[in-house]
Amino acid sequence: AQSVSQHNHHVILSEAASLELGCNYSYGGTVNLFWYVQYPGQHLQLLLKYFSGDPLVKGIKGFEAEFIKSKFSFNLRKPSVQWSDTAEYFCAVNPYSNYQLIWGAGTKLIIKP
Amino acid sequence: DAGVTQSPTHLIKTRGQQVTLRCSPKSGHDTVSWYQQALGQGPQFIFQYYEEEERQRGNFPDRFSGHQFPNYSSELNVNALLLGDSALYLCASSPRDAGRREKLFFGSGTQLSVL
Repeated sequence: AQSVSQHNHHVILSEAASLELGCNYSYGGTVNLFWYVQYPGQHLQLLLKYFSGDPLVKGIKGFEAEFIKSKFSFNLRKPSVQWSDTAEYFCAVNPYSNYQLIWGAGTKLIIKP
Repeated sequence: DAGVTQSPTHLIKTRGQQVTLRCSPKSGHDTVSWYQQALGQGPQFIFQYYEEEERQRGNFPDRFSGHQFPNYSSELNVNALLLGDSALYLCASSPRDAGRREKLFFGSGTQLSVL
């Protein structure tokens, strides 16, 4: 079955630290890839997406992600985190042949001021 | 411009009852998807409605059914509730002509508790 794995359920960092959240998926065909973020008390919103082309995609608020097809990975990165980045981050995959998003379990990120 | 709105925000039911959740998509959106998010997990796709028809369904039993109205709003119905149906139910809409690849806009969800 198709699945998405996020490596860490909880991550705690200090401000200005670098961030990398792992995401791997199991699906052999073409996929569209997404990272969504849910800030405390808010609804899910899109952080960035990959459809095709340059495997390094940039999103809002200084986030970026790299698609490595050979590793079935789409890791999220940010060079220097801020306290306001405290949120839950979800990786999601859309197999190109259908309409659903398949989601990872999420990573709760806490940034210490 | 209102985003995706869901009602009610919270609901408590007992086992065996039936529940109806409602969703109004963002203005200009015609496709509505429903997801179930259990505590500590990512959302799971229930189904998607487009042009008043169920376009795709996830791995959920027939107790879960839905409807889309001509104004693109949607309902999710769950019959014969089980304790395991306790979850946050999310509605997401996507814009007209976007196909399957466009980003989803999410509502804040309905928290369903089954006792």
